[in-house]
Amino acid sequence: GENVEQHPSTLSVQEGDSAVIKCTYSDSASNYFPWYKQELGKGPQLIIDIRSNVGEKKDQRIAVTLNKTAKHFSLHITETQPEDSAVYFCAASSGYSTLTFGKGTMLLVSP
Amino acid sequence: DAMVIQNPRYQVTQFGKPVTLSCSQTLNHNVMYWYQQKSSQAPKLLFHYYDKDFNNEADTPDNFQSRRPNTSFCFLDIRSPGLGDAAMYLCATSTHGTGGLNYGYTFGSGTRLTVV
Repeated sequence: GENVEQHPSTLSVQEGDSAVIKCTYSDSASNYFPWYKQELGKGPQLIIDIRSNVGEKKDQRIAVTLNKTAKHFSLHITETQPEDSAVYFCAASSGYSTLTFGKGTMLLVSP
Repeated sequence: DAMVIQNPRYQVTQFGKPVTLSCSQTLNHNVMYWYQQKSSQAPKLLFHYYDKDFNNEADTPDNFQSRRPNTSFCFLDIRSPGLGDAAMYLCATSTHGTGGLNYGYTFGSGTRLTVV
């Protein structure tokens, strides 16, 4: 089955800095890669996703890049703000398969 | 707004007393999932319904059951909750588009279960 590794487990940045979270996956058949933000006591919220037919996708301060050859994808957050502080999960799935999650990254943005 | 709604947000149950958690969706997604999430961990899939077809994960304990009476509703039944079942339970939905691509995973806010 699919295995998703996520790094780092904790990331501390100053407000205004950029943050990068990286994930690798094992199943070359995986073709859908969402990123979720989970605030304390809430369910995960989809913030951006990418399919295997594109290499990069951007939505305002958030971008995701995908390298199919190396089987890794990354989340980039620019101009971080304190409200970006949360746990971020990457995930992967292929066709009809269910999502496999990474173990999460706790992002702390200090004012 | 279309969404996934879980009730209740917080549930306290006694050790061994059956409990049911509910989930409803207005997205008309054909797939519904139940995840268990313990503190500082990733969500762990318990089972999912693809339309009416039930799919159990191999390591989901028999203590956990599910029902999906119609497209909009799905229930998680815990027959005899133990202390180790205390967790956040997340419902999610998704849809399968043309070509079989699975997308649109949407989570509810979760139910925090406490076992006393």
